[in-house]
Amino acid sequence: AQTVTQSQPEMSVQEAETVTLSCTYDTSESDYYLFWYKQPPSRQMILVIRQEAYKQQNATENRFSVNFQKAAKSFSLKISDSQLGDAAMYFCAYRFSGTASKLTFGTGTRLQVML
Amino acid sequence: EAEVAQSPRYKITEKSQAVAFWCDPISGHATLYWYRQILGQGPELLVQFQDESVVDDSQLPKDRFSAERLKGVDSTLKIQPAELGDSAMYLCASSLNDEQFFGPGTRLTVL
Repeated sequence: AQTVTQSQPEMSVQEAETVTLSCTYDTSESDYYLFWYKQPPSRQMILVIRQEAYKQQNATENRFSVNFQKAAKSFSLKISDSQLGDAAMYFCAYRFSGTASKLTFGTGTRLQVML
Repeated sequence: EAEVAQSPRYKITEKSQAVAFWCDPISGHATLYWYRQILGQGPELLVQFQDESVVDDSQLPKDRFSAERLKGVDSTLKIQPAELGDSAMYLCASSLNDEQFFGPGTRLTVL
């Protein structure tokens, strides 16, 4: 079975600084997707960034980028120029590449952004 | 922008009572998911539909939980009877291809 581990329950960052959230996963599959989702307080979960396992290039979306290490089964999220609106729970998630497969989530990291 | 709708947003019930949650996915999305998110944890899949058919309900406690998507559009998740341990956020998501879009969730409190 696939598992996703987030070892940082809470992180904090100063506004405009950079923070990295860690995620490791375990799977026997070779073709899969990895995601970072953001869940603001009392608001719905939204996709931040995704990575296809077959792509060696790390995904980037504006201030968000990932460091995908397939051999190490590591998938960290870097947030640059942190903003107050980045404060939220962040979930790392895995999905097998089969059509309409379920997401397997980690336990989440709560990110606080300090003024 | 199209969104997944869920109701109610909050539900408080006493144990042994019946509760029901409703989800309306984004129009055209064939796949619908119900996840349960216990406080402090990540969401876990309860049931997955492809159109009106159940694809995966391996984690659904079938003695008390039921889910249906009769016309392959909106869906209802029911719990009867509710237990204290059912207190959680119930999230609905839908997808057309690879990305899942989540609704705002229903927060259930069982007293």
